[in-house]
Amino acid sequence: DTGVSQNPRHKITKRGQNVTFRCDPISEHNRLYWYRQTLGQGPEFLTYFQNEAQLEKSRLLSDRFSAERPKGSFSTLEIQRTEQGDSAMYLCASSWKQATEQYFGPGTRLTVT
Amino acid sequence: QKEVEQDPGPLSVPEGAIVSLNCTYSNSAFQYFMWYRQYSRKGPELLMYTYSSGNKEDGRFTAQVDKSSKYISLFIRDSQPSDSATYLCAMETKTSYDKVIFGPGTSLSVIP
Repeated sequence: DTGVSQNPRHKITKRGQNVTFRCDPISEHNRLYWYRQTLGQGPEFLTYFQNEAQLEKSRLLSDRFSAERPKGSFSTLEIQRTEQGDSAMYLCASSWKQATEQYFGPGTRLTVT
Repeated sequence: QKEVEQDPGPLSVPEGAIVSLNCTYSNSAFQYFMWYRQYSRKGPELLMYTYSSGNKEDGRFTAQVDKSSKYISLFIRDSQPSDSATYLCAMETKTSYDKVIFGPGTSLSVIP
């Protein structure tokens, strides 16, 4: 399977803990996106990388959130001092250069208790 | 007003029916229009992608874009139970680093 993969698929954590998610994009794609989706809503843009450069961050991405894409391959999204409001599905997508089609991974479902 | 509006449903139709799903938007700069299908607890899957106004057909699916009315539609012919999912419209300008704006999704159930 050469699609976008995300790990873990599910994460349950206690409020105040730090969590890190990983995304492996389609290998030839140089653009990688993170989205957050809550129940009954469409995905909301969080941040975007072209190769290893983080080119845009949403206002939704508070200081507790940080994303990296070292070497322009996989990406990690870390949430520090988690809050219950962080509970959501975190989706990763990738695309090739100027192409508009973004291909999504299965998501990581975060539950903060 | 949200940038992209979509009737959340749920929409329930009998198998074989023609389904019409719609979105309206407010940003006239949107140029690229997409429809994604999302099964429960899965990531969105790209169904259709169109540029500017016009129609695009792919099998049982037809996407229509009317930029003058800021209105897009997805038609599903001969609907099947496997089409039961949430359908998300999405759109994008080319001036915002490929940031895609999604509608909230319409939940569709096709009853055998």
